[in-house]
Amino acid sequence: EAGVTQFPSHSVIEKGQTVTLRCDPISGHDNLYWYRRVMGKEIKFLLHFVKESKQDESGMPNNRFLAERTGGTYSTLKVQPAELEDSGVYFCASSQGIRDRPYGYTFGSGTRLTVV
Amino acid sequence: QKEVEQNSGPLSVPEGAIASLNCTYSDRGSQSFFWYRQYSGKSPELIMSIYSNGDKEDGRFTAQLNKASQYVSLLIRDSQPSDSATYLCASRRGMDSSYKLIFGSGTRLLVRP
Repeated sequence: EAGVTQFPSHSVIEKGQTVTLRCDPISGHDNLYWYRRVMGKEIKFLLHFVKESKQDESGMPNNRFLAERTGGTYSTLKVQPAELEDSGVYFCASSQGIRDRPYGYTFGSGTRLTVV
Repeated sequence: QKEVEQNSGPLSVPEGAIASLNCTYSDRGSQSFFWYRQYSGKSPELIMSIYSNGDKEDGRFTAQLNKASQYVSLLIRDSQPSDSATYLCASRRGMDSSYKLIFGSGTRLLVRP
């Protein structure tokens, strides 16, 4: 079974530019999550998709971040315009998840974003 | 106060010893707890999950949960140098519609050969 795939693995952009991160979840996993870890801090939740619907986007920092999951398969996370504080590692995860039996996630290897 | 607290370490143990990793949480609504292992530059990997008070064993790993004390721990028996990594504790609230995990900042474990 292929794991959660993220690309690019690294991205260096200038402040004010746009970056789009992509995540391909494990096939058949309806739940897809975005998390990020900024330097020295803990991993923090950004949002949760169930299929193509946003179930919880309470962690999205501001309206410069836009996540989509068209067709309920892969997801993109766009940052526009990027700011210095957006630098960090962005993780995507997926789970099969049944409502009353929460399973652990499978994480992707992350995208390291550096805004200069 | 952070919702999930972990000592950042490093925790250094000799090979073959028991490593004890601890985690406390502040939200009494948390019902599920997870331990992830993360090697440097790699993705977090699920090691154990625990939902009920008491111990749960899986190979060399034992997770312990005490909801009254709001305390979760992970014991690693017969520690190996390959266990050297950062161990992340995460909690999840009850059976609501979101599967959001709250992570601690992680404890770095070093196993000395």
